[in-house]
Amino acid sequence: KAGVTQTPRYLIKTRGQQVTLSCSPISGHRSVSWYQQTPGQGLQFLFEYFSETQRNKGNFPGRFSGRQFSNSRSEMNVSTLELGDSALYLCATSTGNSYEQYFGPGTRLTVT
Amino acid sequence: DAKTTQPTSMDCAEGRAANLPCNHSTISGNEYVYWYRQIHSQGPQYIIHGLKNNETNEMASLIITEDRKSSTLILPHATLRDTAVYYCIVRVAGQSGANSKLTFGKGITLSVRP
Repeated sequence: KAGVTQTPRYLIKTRGQQVTLSCSPISGHRSVSWYQQTPGQGLQFLFEYFSETQRNKGNFPGRFSGRQFSNSRSEMNVSTLELGDSALYLCATSTGNSYEQYFGPGTRLTVT
Repeated sequence: DAKTTQPTSMDCAEGRAANLPCNHSTISGNEYVYWYRQIHSQGPQYIIHGLKNNETNEMASLIITEDRKSSTLILPHATLRDTAVYYCIVRVAGQSGANSKLTFGKGITLSVRP
């Protein structure tokens, strides 16, 4: 079965722009979580969506938002990009009732 | 979620067992121990999890002490491809899956040498 897909894999944006990242979960997975990974802060939880509803949120400013569609695909959006938003953005999916989560390869965002 | 403590790094020889320790002295009765690993520039990969009994799968074994305050991940025959950062995470895993959040620490960097 196909794994978690994230698009695009690499992205370069300039400060002030906004960006949308996409995550397609494994078939049957209804939970999608997003993480940000930077060298300084490590892996940090952004938010989780389950059945199109956000049910868990990390400590990130409102510039970071997300949504989930009826087919469980999820997007995250970052508005008014800052240099510090340069990071690897990872999504992880699960059935929602399982113990393990499966991560995608990530989107490498560079803000200049 | 309870906090975990892991050494910063360790190495082992290819073909030998790699034993990765983790302390979680404040673990609660309903918290599971999870292990994930992250190979450079890839997304983290689930390895194994357990509550109180030792667990084994095709990738590794997880040994949890009787008081559950520490655990050890064992890679029985380490290969060069096992070089990665290994994360020990403690979290509640309810049936509803309502808590899918994983709190990653800095992990332990395992270097497998030829």
